[in-house]
Amino acid sequence: AQSVTQLGSHVSVSEGALVLLRCNYSSSVPPYLFWYVQYPNQGLQLLLKYTSAATLVKGINGFEAEFKKSETSFHLTKPSAHMSDAAEYFCAVSDSGGSQGNLIFGKGTKLSVKP
Amino acid sequence: DAMVIQNPRYQVTQFGKPVTLSCSQTLNHNVMYWYQQKSSQAPKLLFHYYDKDFNNEADTPDNFQSRRPNTSFCFLDIRSPGLGDAAMYLCATSRRSSGLAGVETQYFGPGTRLLVL
Repeated sequence: AQSVTQLGSHVSVSEGALVLLRCNYSSSVPPYLFWYVQYPNQGLQLLLKYTSAATLVKGINGFEAEFKKSETSFHLTKPSAHMSDAAEYFCAVSDSGGSQGNLIFGKGTKLSVKP
Repeated sequence: DAMVIQNPRYQVTQFGKPVTLSCSQTLNHNVMYWYQQKSSQAPKLLFHYYDKDFNNEADTPDNFQSRRPNTSFCFLDIRSPGLGDAAMYLCATSRRSSGLAGVETQYFGPGTRLLVL
């Protein structure tokens, strides 16, 4: 069965600092992985997705994530945090392990950005 | 712009009074989902429609029902809301294919926040 674990329910960084949000997955087959962002009282917005085409995936708003099979990880990074990045971030995996199927979400990581 | 629309954004209902939340999409996607999200938690899938095929999650209470009259619209009915049903309700859509047609990706609406008095 597929699952994701997000380490750290709350991460705080200073503006301009590196953002690193951790996601580890468990999957019996090569997974399809997603990162979503949720701003307060909003729906989820797709940041990026891993589709096996490239291990380093670039997304919107300057975020990127690297798929590391040996570490079963798909961590989200951004070189320089901006105040507008403050939000909750969810990592997700396709429940079938294939390219089609429902999503299984991690518990989320709330990112705070200090001025 | 193609999008997922949810109305209303905020809904107040009384304990036990039926309420309906609506979702519409202009993406022409064949799958529509309903999620419940409580404060500081991940979205929890309630059910989804794949075309006209309804798929209920095993732990979704009978109090929650859904209708999809056509491709564009999907409704969430809560027959007798309890205080524990106060939450954000998210609608999402995707294009699912049985062939090798890329990765199914869900697109979310802005959500409806339900308050039960």
